[in-house]
Amino acid sequence: AQSVTQLDSHVSVSEGTPVLLRCNYSSSYSPSLFWYVQHPNKGLQLLLKYTSAATLVKGINGFEAEFKKSETSFHLTKPSAHMSDAAEYFCVVSNFGNEKLTFGTGTRLTIIP
Amino acid sequence: DAGVTQSPTHLIKTRGQQVTLRCSPKSGHDTVSWYQQALGQGPQFIFQYYEEEERQRGNFPDRFSGHQFPNYSSELNVNALLLGDSALYLCASSSRGYNEKLFFGSGTQLSVL
Repeated sequence: AQSVTQLDSHVSVSEGTPVLLRCNYSSSYSPSLFWYVQHPNKGLQLLLKYTSAATLVKGINGFEAEFKKSETSFHLTKPSAHMSDAAEYFCVVSNFGNEKLTFGTGTRLTIIP
Repeated sequence: DAGVTQSPTHLIKTRGQQVTLRCSPKSGHDTVSWYQQALGQGPQFIFQYYEEEERQRGNFPDRFSGHQFPNYSSELNVNALLLGDSALYLCASSSRGYNEKLFFGSGTQLSVL
């Protein structure tokens, strides 16, 4: 079985300050891990993915995530928040490339001007 | 290049009715997956279609069924609608049955009264 736990349902940061969205995973195999973003009234968009290559993964819009097997974590970070980053973020796990995706419950990111 | 398109965008039904949702995958994609996203939750996997066959299925009852056509488009059918079926239904497309880069549509918002 596979699962992800997003540790914060809501995160608020000021514009220009760092962003940290936390995710822990559980998987019986070497997992593939993803972060997806969902803006209001728009489809989910892939931010980045980890598939057993480099443990530090760089994504779009300045986001990155680090895979830490010892901590079973895959936290998402960004050095400086922008107003356009306000959205819902989902941590996602898959056991194999063709296995279904299992989503976390999401973290709503609010950016304070 | 059109992305994933879903129709209709909104739908209102009453309990016991049947509903059909439609999805056209991104150009060049041959695999379609369907997800249900209840309010305040992450998307949950319903099933995946590849080569006109259901390849994987999540933990959903038989009231949920689907179909994939030779042009790779897909339908999701839900019979005997329950109030709990109210949700955003997301379609995602990819290639060759793989899930490592899914492209999502904006979804169909289904309300069951």
